[in-house]
Amino acid sequence: QKEVEQNSGPLSVPEGAIASLNCTYSDRVSQSFFWYRQYSGKSPELIMSIYSNGDKEDGRFTAQLNKASQYVSLLIRDSQPSDSATYLCAVRNRDDKIIFGKGTRLHILP
Amino acid sequence: EADIYQTPRYLVIGTGKKITLECSQTMGHDKMYWYQQDPGMELHLIHYSYGVNSTEKGDLSSESTVSRIRTEHFPLTLESARPSHTSQYLCASSGSRQDATNEKLFFGSGTQLSVL
Repeated sequence: QKEVEQNSGPLSVPEGAIASLNCTYSDRVSQSFFWYRQYSGKSPELIMSIYSNGDKEDGRFTAQLNKASQYVSLLIRDSQPSDSATYLCAVRNRDDKIIFGKGTRLHILP
Repeated sequence: EADIYQTPRYLVIGTGKKITLECSQTMGHDKMYWYQQDPGMELHLIHYSYGVNSTEKGDLSSESTVSRIRTEHFPLTLESARPSHTSQYLCASSGSRQDATNEKLFFGSGTQLSVL
């Protein structure tokens, strides 16, 4: 079982709609969770970090964490064409390593 | 924003050559990482360091080696390059001395290595 699992997509969402990205992790001890965005040919950049159960909002982005279900999600409201990218879920595991999922490709349809 | 630099940006080299990929950061970060990423695939952690003279292997087995003699410098070396080493190598750092709890990874631009 991979430590961090994501559906690779592509996920197609109409412009202006809500994009919902999901991630599960295997290490129950994990305490830190991250969402990175990676444009084609570019390096990843951090969008959100979340450490406690519940929701965390930052502008159009909301991260949700459910430690009991070992589940992290990212919601993007009012999706824009510029949001088209690969979204990487990352988890800091019990060995203090930051492990990435394979990413979900998001395509916003104009 | 990110003051982390990787050189070279692209490298094409023949089989059997020794290569060193350079990574330097000026943010005073203690933690540094090397990830390997093939096109459309996930980032695999191959090496990490928590500070000077500290290096650990990551989850993906790699024939490369690293050193951390100075805080700002974390080079990766392949003693004998092979075609199977062709990939993108991304260096990252996190955790300044002033805020060790800051876990945000800052990535360099990457080195695209092609071994012929």
